[in-house]
Amino acid sequence: NAGVTQTPKFQVLKTGQSMTLQCAQDMNHEYMSWYRQDPGMGLRLIHYSVGAGITDQGEVPNGYNVSRSTTEDFPLRLLSAAPSQTSVYFCASSYSRDRWRGEQYFGPGTRLTVT
Amino acid sequence: RKEVEQDPGPFNVPEGATVAFNCTYSNSASQSFFWYRQDCRKEPKLLMSVYSSGNEDGRFTAQLNRASQYISLLIRDSKLSDSATYLCVVNRFNTGNQFYFGTGTSLTVIP
Repeated sequence: NAGVTQTPKFQVLKTGQSMTLQCAQDMNHEYMSWYRQDPGMGLRLIHYSVGAGITDQGEVPNGYNVSRSTTEDFPLRLLSAAPSQTSVYFCASSYSRDRWRGEQYFGPGTRLTVT
Repeated sequence: RKEVEQDPGPFNVPEGATVAFNCTYSNSASQSFFWYRQDCRKEPKLLMSVYSSGNEDGRFTAQLNRASQYISLLIRDSKLSDSATYLCVVNRFNTGNQFYFGTGTSLTVIP
């Protein structure tokens, strides 16, 4: 199993550009989430999905879109990049409640800089 | 008010020392509790779950006090390899599997 994979590892964008951060998992997890991590702020939930075709907003959704067309993939789209979106982005996945053993699995992260 | 509050440290301790981290959470409906470890520029990884009765995993002991909404982690006989940031995490099932992270406590173990 590759676990949770994220691409790219690093990205530099100019203000106003758009891009998609890719996330995939091969563990057949129902739940997937996107977080951003900023110094002194901890990980904050951007969007999450409880299954294919179902997504919802987390704590800091503004400026981001998601979709979940398959169980495996959960891309995060930045619509018009702003310097405030400079951060480290983590994708994570876990089983649904009836199969959950407690662990959330994280991808290696994408380091995004917006200039 | 933040969901989870931790002392950010840093904690600098000599090898072999015992160190304790504390964390409080604000929502009494929180259902599950964890400590995650995050190495520099890496993803968080589960260190251990925290149970109401307290639990131990080798040199690591976790405690939960639901009445005080307080979680602790004790590391005994610290090793250089324990140097990392320790994240206190609480969980509850709302519409999804919601995890709430503290900002982390930085630990450096010194030779």
